[in-house]
Amino acid sequence: GQQLNQSPQSMFIQEGEDVSMNCTSSSIFNTWLWYKQEPGEGPVLLIALYKAGELTSNGRLTAQFGITRKDSFLNISASIPSDVGIYFCAGSQGAQKLVFGQGTRLTINP
Amino acid sequence: GAVVSQHPSRVICKSGTSVKIECRSLDFQATTMFWYRQFPKQSLMLMATSNEGSKATYEQGVEKDKFLINHASLTLSTLTVTSAHPEDSSFYICSARDLSQGVFRYGYTFGSGTRLTVV
Repeated sequence: GQQLNQSPQSMFIQEGEDVSMNCTSSSIFNTWLWYKQEPGEGPVLLIALYKAGELTSNGRLTAQFGITRKDSFLNISASIPSDVGIYFCAGSQGAQKLVFGQGTRLTINP
Repeated sequence: GAVVSQHPSRVICKSGTSVKIECRSLDFQATTMFWYRQFPKQSLMLMATSNEGSKATYEQGVEKDKFLINHASLTLSTLTVTSAHPEDSSFYICSARDLSQGVFRYGYTFGSGTRLTVV
């Protein structure tokens, strides 16, 4: 099935560092979503983006909906140990099914 | 906020038996639910979309006779893995959204997943 191109696939950082990950697509999406998944759990929504160019924050997290509607990024500032997990981007074209990225596995060294 | 409850969280079954997984929207009506499968260290892959009161739409390559989906009410969808085999062992996750309240009111809320192990 269709997937978004998410990078990087994994990140190993020191506590306190900033994190940046992004997703790109060859298709236009009109909704971009960022989720975090922890082991044995379902994804939890972090940020939802609905308009091209939209920049939205949720605490230390900031995400943007690309102007071309074919990309989005997620930044995490001043990482802490509980940020560890797998982050997924997801896109939707209208009120349709979600397409997911491959995920970014974040590991933090204290 | 919107909550989706999924049960069971874990199930172990013998090869050849069937397993039913339930997905409930607790505080909203879910006119559309989605079922995903996730293998270790991989992303979520959509299996099917179920709409309340109508037949599910399956993604290419997903056997509809093996993965039976029923969405008989606005708060409950079930996925039944029939004649399960070890290769069906995976993490199954449901997601729900409510379109009747307007676009994007609840977005896509996920259940906590079901770990199926077929022995």
